[in-house]
Amino acid sequence: GQQVMQIPQYQHVQEGEDFTTYCNSSTTLSNIQWYKQRPGGHPVFLIQLVKSGEVKKQKRLTFQFGEAKKNSSLHITATQTTDVGTYFCAGSGSGGSNYKLTFGKGTLLTVNP
Amino acid sequence: ETGVTQSPTHLIKTRGQQVTLRCSSQSGHNTVSWYQQALGQGPQFIFQYYREEENGRGNFPPRFSGLQFPNYSSELNVNALELDDSALYLCASNTGGTYGYTFGSGTRLTVV
Repeated sequence: GQQVMQIPQYQHVQEGEDFTTYCNSSTTLSNIQWYKQRPGGHPVFLIQLVKSGEVKKQKRLTFQFGEAKKNSSLHITATQTTDVGTYFCAGSGSGGSNYKLTFGKGTLLTVNP
Repeated sequence: ETGVTQSPTHLIKTRGQQVTLRCSSQSGHNTVSWYQQALGQGPQFIFQYYREEENGRGNFPPRFSGLQFPNYSSELNVNALELDDSALYLCASNTGGTYGYTFGSGTRLTVV
């Protein structure tokens, strides 16, 4: 079945440093979504990417979808303590399985003030 | 606009028992999905309901079952609980299609 892998598993940065998490799927995706989960919280939707090579920005966050629609990345510029949490990518397959989101294991970001 | 609400927030059950978890979808959302999240893991898809019918299922045994009601609220039922069923159970809703989901705060289930 479809597998989504994320690296790194953990990332600790000093406030102001940049952060990137990478996501790779074993199969071609119809779209990819990114979620943030604060410690003790629930996933919160950040963004969806649909098109091959798509790049979207939300303030300090930049999301990319690979040309082959099998990989994605999230880059945070100049991290802040409010960025702390686990970032998950979640992919939808194509065709009849496009209802199902397959989540990666997430990247836990901690920020030292 | 209300979000997704789940009840109860925490639950302790004994192995072999049955449990029902409840979810009220966000207003205007006709699709609800249930996920199981073990500690330190990403959410795993259990199943999805659209307009009261199951339209997708993950790799979970039949003892995991669900319902969606005309008001789009939903239930997750788990029979014959096992210790490995201990997890955070998340309900998520959207307007259908491949759009972002709104997640509830989850039910923390502990099986002893």
